[in-house]
Amino acid sequence: DAMVIQNPRYQVTQFGKPVTLSCSQTLNHNVMYWYQQKSSQAPKLLFHYYDKDFNNEADTPDNFQSRRPNTSFCFLDIRSPGLGDTAMYLCATVRGIMGTEAFFGQGTRLTVV
Amino acid sequence: TQLLEQSPQFLSIQEGENLTVYCNSSSVFSSLQWYRQEPGEGPVLLVTVVTGGEVKKLKRLTFQFGDARKDSSLHITAAQPGDTGLYLCAVEYGNKLVFGAGTILRVKS
Repeated sequence: DAMVIQNPRYQVTQFGKPVTLSCSQTLNHNVMYWYQQKSSQAPKLLFHYYDKDFNNEADTPDNFQSRRPNTSFCFLDIRSPGLGDTAMYLCATVRGIMGTEAFFGQGTRLTVV
Repeated sequence: TQLLEQSPQFLSIQEGENLTVYCNSSSVFSSLQWYRQEPGEGPVLLVTVVTGGEVKKLKRLTFQFGDARKDSSLHITAAQPGDTGLYLCAVEYGNKLVFGAGTILRVKS
């Protein structure tokens, strides 16, 4: 059974049209991450939560926002997507103890047209 | 400068060949992880190494953590097409999970 579920798997949106990606987990993990991954590159961290504490990476565009209403759910909002935001977006969870496994969802492939 | 430097960036080999990929840093880590990512999927953990000099084996994959806990290697024996994917090393740094740039491996049959 999938433990980290991302929806939708594929999303096409128009330039400038807001889009929301969702992630849910059944693991009750403290930490949730959002990564952006462009073709054949490593995942780039956008932000992460430790419980409700939000941590934004310095180079994450202001266009990207996140919400975590409860332990199980986390959302990535892109307010005005640009063509350069076309990428795979990965959600991951970790129990919060150093060195433990990160569990990833299957990702949402976002295409901005 | 990247925290984790992976090499090579890309590797294309024939089925049955052996290969080694590397993950290097100037920083010391308490642990290091290797993930494999197949196209269209999220990364999946292969192994976590914790002790300097540690060697772990997972079928045809051998992982080593450097004595100083700054670097690691992944050796694949007799590579198969199913080994194709993006291999990522990762560490927990500053309370977040940070990845290297990855090695894209393609094994041709």
